Amino acid sequence: SQTIHQWPATLVQPVGSPLSLECTVEGTSNPNLYWYRQAAGRGLQLLFYSVGIGQISSEVPQNLSASRPQDRQFILSSKKLLLSDSGFYLCAWSVSRTGGEQYFGPGTRLTVT
Amino acid sequence: DAKTTQPTSMDCAEGRAANLPCNHSTISGNEYVYWYRQIHSQGPQYIIHGLKNNETNEMASLIITEDRKSSTLILPHATLRDTAVYYCIVRHYAGNMLTFGGGTRFIVKP
Repeated sequence: SQTIHQWPATLVQPVGSPLSLECTVEGTSNPNLYWYRQAAGRGLQLLFYSVGIGQISSEVPQNLSASRPQDRQFILSSKKLLLSDSGFYLCAWSVSRTGGEQYFGPGTRLTVT
Repeated sequence: DAKTTQPTSMDCAEGRAANLPCNHSTISGNEYVYWYRQIHSQGPQYIIHGLKNNETNEMASLIITEDRKSSTLILPHATLRDTAVYYCIVRHYAGNMLTFGGGTRFIVKP
């Protein structure tokens, strides 16, 4: 069966510090991968998605970036965090080319202080 | 993708059937209806999806009106663990993305 991992589960970072969140998927190959953010009390916002290694689509311009160095690994990064980057970051995967049934990881709760 | 409209909040008693409505009056012929739910502090969970026929799985049933302008998610016997925000999403069959709106905050009362 397929499993999606995210780490860390929680993170507290000062403003201006870098960020690296990692997501890995097991039990499937060539998945679509997604990064979402949910600010406190808000809905989910799609940040990036990837249909293959090295292929990244950005949905919201901001100081975040994403990379997909391996088929089942998706990384969310920032060089300098802002207070507004605080939120609940969720990684998800779907079977390639369908995209509708997405399976979410446990999430990383980021607090920027 | 077509926009959806859902009640902000709903509740029902434990053990009763729950009917969560969704309006998607601008849906086009090649767009599917998806339902997800998000329990507090967890990632969203896929529930069910359909195009025009009614669908049922181990979690819920999805009833889509004949004109496809609205749908209802049915939880046959709501439990306290069904308390969550439920999202109705319309997605083009070839699309790669889901757009989450505000959803319905659904509370099951003991």
